[in-house]
Amino acid sequence: GAVVSQHPSRVICKSGTSVKIECRSLDFQATTMFWYRQFPKQSLMLMATSNEGSKATYEQGVEKDKFLINHASLTLSTLTVTSAHPEDSSFYICSALGGLGTDTQYFGPGTRLTVL
Amino acid sequence: QQQVKQSPQSLIVQKGGISIINCAYENTAFDYFPWYQQFPGKGPALLIAIRPDVSEKKEGRFTISFNKSAKQFSLHIMDSQPGDSATYFCAASTGTASKLTFGTGTRLQVTL
Repeated sequence: GAVVSQHPSRVICKSGTSVKIECRSLDFQATTMFWYRQFPKQSLMLMATSNEGSKATYEQGVEKDKFLINHASLTLSTLTVTSAHPEDSSFYICSALGGLGTDTQYFGPGTRLTVL
Repeated sequence: QQQVKQSPQSLIVQKGGISIINCAYENTAFDYFPWYQQFPGKGPALLIAIRPDVSEKKEGRFTISFNKSAKQFSLHIMDSQPGDSATYFCAASTGTASKLTFGTGTRLQVTL
């Protein structure tokens, strides 16, 4: 149980285009999901907290107009990187809280974004 | 206040040995302390977690030791195996459904 999937696992795009990454909780409902960014050999940096049916809460320094987050259902959150640039190239990982009243976050396998 | 300091940055252990990774925190409001294991190119996977009301928790070869007064917690991997070679992150959070604060990570290599 508690499986989180991400799609795509890897994406290469041209500078200036937008890319959407999907995060799904496969066997549980997640009212709260989180989006992280990870640079090589570094820790996870929280970008935003996504709550189903409401606006995402972004961490300081994260551009909300560039990283659009939508949490339209209890099993799906999406991250759209708009007008991507090479500096947006990174490993993006989502996590989902394992249920109401729980602290446990289950992570997806990550999406490797490369912007040319 | 929100930081979680993790050490060592890297660790080499022989097969069968004990791997020990330490974390320290400042925020006394933290009440949930998980450890995650991450392989290259993969997302982190929850290993084991502890709350401040217990001083130790063991699951298989993995043990968390927690020292509330010192604001420190550690991960012990007994009988370390080459398959344990990965990056380990400690983390902490406050309250239910709260965001995690991650340590900087420890790259563990278990040699034959």
